[in-house]
Amino acid sequence: RKEVEQDPGPFNVPEGATVAFNCTYSNSASQSFFWYRQDCRKEPKLLMSVYSSGNEDGRFTAQLNRASQYISLLIRDSKLSDSATYLCVVRLRNFNKFYFGSGTKLNVKP
Amino acid sequence: GAVVSQHPSWVICKSGTSVKIECRSLDFQATTMFWYRQFPKQSLMLMATSNEGSKATYEQGVEKDKFLINHASLTLSTLTVTSAHPEDSSFYICSARELAGGELFFGEGSRLTVL
Repeated sequence: RKEVEQDPGPFNVPEGATVAFNCTYSNSASQSFFWYRQDCRKEPKLLMSVYSSGNEDGRFTAQLNRASQYISLLIRDSKLSDSATYLCVVRLRNFNKFYFGSGTKLNVKP
Repeated sequence: GAVVSQHPSWVICKSGTSVKIECRSLDFQATTMFWYRQFPKQSLMLMATSNEGSKATYEQGVEKDKFLINHASLTLSTLTVTSAHPEDSSFYICSARELAGGELFFGEGSRLTVL
């Protein structure tokens, strides 16, 4: 079983739509959680960290559910520029090791 | 946020030659850096963990003699692809962990094409 699993998509949504991605992780020792965005042929860039209480940054909201071992990313009012692959990343407690999901591809269409 | 710089961005080389890729943390010290490889339309694959002042830790299936990693200082790690072959053509990305926030920051990546 993979450490981190994501639905690869693609999610095809119109501009202005709200879209949500989920990511599940298998190791209960996971401590830190992040969402990264990767554009085609570019390096991943940190979108936001995910905190236990949930956090929001503009149109983006991230949530963590430790009991069910998943994190989510909600994007409101989608823009064309949001089209990218969104990577879920998990770091284990006491280990300097990060696990990546395979990414969820989002296509926002006019 | 923290900045990680990777060089070169693009490299084309002949089969059998060796290629060195540098990864630098520009505004923070990184005792640990990570090297990844990504093939088209696939996810990042961790190759090895580079530890300053000690040997790198390689993931299963990654040949340490082919992918030489040196982390001689707190701001620089290098990956050398030795005797490169066309199947080594890929996008190589490094990352470093910024201790304060714990997030990973990535270099811009190096696209290697072996002819």
